[in-house]
Amino acid sequence: GNSVTQMEGPVTLSEEAFLTINCTYTATGYPSLFWYVQYPGEGLQLLLKATKADDKGSNKGFEATYRKETTSFHLEKGSVQVSDSAVYFCALPSGGGNKLTFGTGTQLKVEL
Amino acid sequence: DTAVSQTPKYLVTQMGNDKSIKCEQNLGHDTMYWYKQDSKKFLKIMFSYNNKELIINETVPNRFSPKSPDKAHLNLHINSLELGDSAVYFCASSLAGTSGKDTQYFGPGTRLTVL
Repeated sequence: GNSVTQMEGPVTLSEEAFLTINCTYTATGYPSLFWYVQYPGEGLQLLLKATKADDKGSNKGFEATYRKETTSFHLEKGSVQVSDSAVYFCALPSGGGNKLTFGTGTQLKVEL
Repeated sequence: DTAVSQTPKYLVTQMGNDKSIKCEQNLGHDTMYWYKQDSKKFLKIMFSYNNKELIINETVPNRFSPKSPDKAHLNLHINSLELGDSAVYFCASSLAGTSGKDTQYFGPGTRLTVL
């Protein structure tokens, strides 16, 4: 079945640093790809998604491009803030319908 | 208005007890899910219901029994609780599409601690 692999954390950055969180996928065809974010003590919420190859998803200064050549969907942000501290999950559909398989999550901590 | 709500937020109980977690969504979605998140933040789907019908049933002990009285509610009942059941349980909902493009909306989670 479809699966994702994302870089292990934790990732610690200073405020205004550049962020990359790597995500690669294995899939049949070209499924939609998602990034979800979990802020401390909360449930997951959609950060961005791309529904076809070469699409770029973006939200709140974060971006990710669906690259079928490298089977990747890396999350980037040019200048992180303390408020971006959270756990980030890459995900894709697997097994039919809207069933999602999530990566292991990458914890990001941004310090002043 | 809260889109996906769960009760209780915290649940502390003894081994062997039976407990329930309730979930409600006011988004008009047809599909609801239960996920388990372990202490390392690993998230795994347990069940999914589409309009009150069970459509996903992952390899979960049969001590866990979901119940959907209507499409806005999905409850999770756990019998004979074990230490390993300690985790955060998330409810989620989405449209009922089969495209795999639909966003899932998560509740705030229920932290279950089994002593």
